[in-house]
Amino acid sequence: GAVVSQHPSWVICKSGTSVKIECRSLDFQATTMFWYRQFPKQSLMLMATSNEGSKATYEQGVEKDKFLINHASLTLSTLTVTSAHPEDSSFYICSARDLASGYNEQFFGPGTRLTVL
Amino acid sequence: GQNIDQPTEMTATEGAIVQINCTYQTSGFNGLFWYQQHAGEAPTFLSYNVLDGLEEKGRFSSFLSRSKGYSYLLLKELQMKDSASYLCAPMDSNYQLIWGAGTKLIIKP
Repeated sequence: GAVVSQHPSWVICKSGTSVKIECRSLDFQATTMFWYRQFPKQSLMLMATSNEGSKATYEQGVEKDKFLINHASLTLSTLTVTSAHPEDSSFYICSARDLASGYNEQFFGPGTRLTVL
Repeated sequence: GQNIDQPTEMTATEGAIVQINCTYQTSGFNGLFWYQQHAGEAPTFLSYNVLDGLEEKGRFSSFLSRSKGYSYLLLKELQMKDSASYLCAPMDSNYQLIWGAGTKLIIKP
């Protein structure tokens, strides 16, 4: 099956610093990647939809200047949390859509756990 | 608005059968996915239904009724490793998955 990787798996940073998370589709081309955030015992919350070569579409309430998304190639999207604060601590998950699958399944990366001190 | 309704938590016994129900309301419909999510991990794909009826895949089966806005996931021969959250996620007209909080399934010996 299609594989999506994320790096890093977990990160601890100081308040005010920026953190970059990478999402890669390893064996397929993903024209669309999705970035989610999940707080403990809550549902996945879609942050933004990233299309290769174009600007990301952010969901209402998500600050695009704080959560910078770049989707420069068909296999890589990055999420940068700028000037991170403790309230940004969460589980960040990316997913990618494989056009060849034929039915819009989203394949998820393993997630990145961010802790901001 | 868009809405997903699933039980918050269910308990079942190892070796038994459990059915997790899901009702949904979405703006348009392009199929419904079921995902499994273990604590601290990302969701993994279980099934996809786009037409009415039952899809069987090993110990797991998923059913869809589009007219009723209803789906269920049936798990047979439960194993301890099946303890997880199960997420019902319909896809709307924009091909976006709509997520609820999921059903936490607890398997007891």
